[in-house]
Amino acid sequence: DAMVIQNPRYQVTQFGKPVTLSCSQTLNHNVMYWYQQKSSQAPKLLFHYYDKDFNNEADTPDNFQSRRPNTSFCFLDIRSPGLGDAAMYLCATSGTSVGEQFFGPGTRLTVL
Amino acid sequence: AQSVTQLDSHVSVSEGTPVLLRCNYSSSYSPSLFWYVQHPNKGLQLLLKYTSAATLVKGINGFEAEFKKSETSFHLTKPSAHMSDAAEYFCVVSDPAGTYKYIFGTGTRLKVLA
Repeated sequence: DAMVIQNPRYQVTQFGKPVTLSCSQTLNHNVMYWYQQKSSQAPKLLFHYYDKDFNNEADTPDNFQSRRPNTSFCFLDIRSPGLGDAAMYLCATSGTSVGEQFFGPGTRLTVL
Repeated sequence: AQSVTQLDSHVSVSEGTPVLLRCNYSSSYSPSLFWYVQHPNKGLQLLLKYTSAATLVKGINGFEAEFKKSETSFHLTKPSAHMSDAAEYFCVVSDPAGTYKYIFGTGTRLKVLA
């Protein structure tokens, strides 16, 4: 089945220690997204790619960066995680038409 | 600018009774609208979508929604709630074509009582 895969599902890191979350897709979609979701809140868009074209949200902290080396993979790098960065991180994809997004299962990040 | 308002942050129903989750949108053009469900510690799963075809949309697990342009609403309904429907529900509207972005409502937590 075509899908969006996120690894790891759970990540524990220490305050200030860099961490990378990964996302892959078998849908061959052009657009990939990273969202941050805190408890009892809606997902908040951090950035998205249309192919290699990177689009950063204005309020995304500089601490967050992303890479998309090819169509299938996308990475979220958190350079110096703070306690406030503990959250669920969701990866999603969509095709070029205005259809639905497809979400991965998420990575739960804990910062100690 | 597009926006979405979910009118209830929490809804409680008894098992076997109807479910109504309300969503109003604001859009300067004909939008695409979606309902997603999220169970604890899981990703979002699409329930149904409206993309300018039939105004009554049927989705998975017995859910349906009706697009009412005159009321700018897209309420989600189910005739009979099941315990497994307890989850968070998000109403989402597409941003204008070309931005590839989506606007999320704040979510409605559905509780199903035995």
